[in-house]
Amino acid sequence: GQSLEQPSEVTAVEGAIVQINCTYQTSGFYGLSWYQQHDGGAPTFLSYNALDGLEETGRFSSFLSRSDSYGYLLLQELQMKDSASYFCAVKGDGGSQGNLIFGKGTKLSVKP
Amino acid sequence: KAGVTQTPRYLIKTRGQQVTLSCSPISGHRSVSWYQQTPGQGLQFLFEYFSETQRNKGNFPGRFSGRQFSNSRSEMNVSTLELGDSALYLCASSFDGSYEQYFGPGTRLTVT
Repeated sequence: GQSLEQPSEVTAVEGAIVQINCTYQTSGFYGLSWYQQHDGGAPTFLSYNALDGLEETGRFSSFLSRSDSYGYLLLQELQMKDSASYFCAVKGDGGSQGNLIFGKGTKLSVKP
Repeated sequence: KAGVTQTPRYLIKTRGQQVTLSCSPISGHRSVSWYQQTPGQGLQFLFEYFSETQRNKGNFPGRFSGRQFSNSRSEMNVSTLELGDSALYLCASSFDGSYEQYFGPGTRLTVT
């Protein structure tokens, strides 16, 4: 089976940098993705890492280490609008199929 | 391009009843996945349909079922509703079941 662990809450101040970690256990690994969900909203896709290393998309970066079964999402120059829940996800068994397995989510609170 | 739509947005049902939820994916997307989101369990995968076939199923009882039509629209059905079925039901579409899935706004189901 698959399981993902991430911190339940993180607090940071506007303008700062925050890192949200995710460790995973999977029987087959096909990559790690990150989603953002604002309260009352739908999850939206942020990034995907299939290979080791850092992927950068604007203020957001995502890192993967397959040997450590570990990844993180890095948010820079935090803004109030970044207050949301962030989920890491892996594919279930059968990497070509659309069955994402999500972590429990990390609630990020950005303070002024 | 229109996003993923789900109907109805809110639903209140009584224990023992059944319910049908509908999802219209983004035009051209053939994969539709369904997820249940609750505060306690987080986002959990229900099932995925691709070209009218169920490709994968999560760990939910047989009371949860679904189908997909030739135009890729999908429905999920929950029979003999239980209080614990109260949740936000999200559907997500992608072209082929990729990591980048597009979520609809969800249907908030309350079972009383």
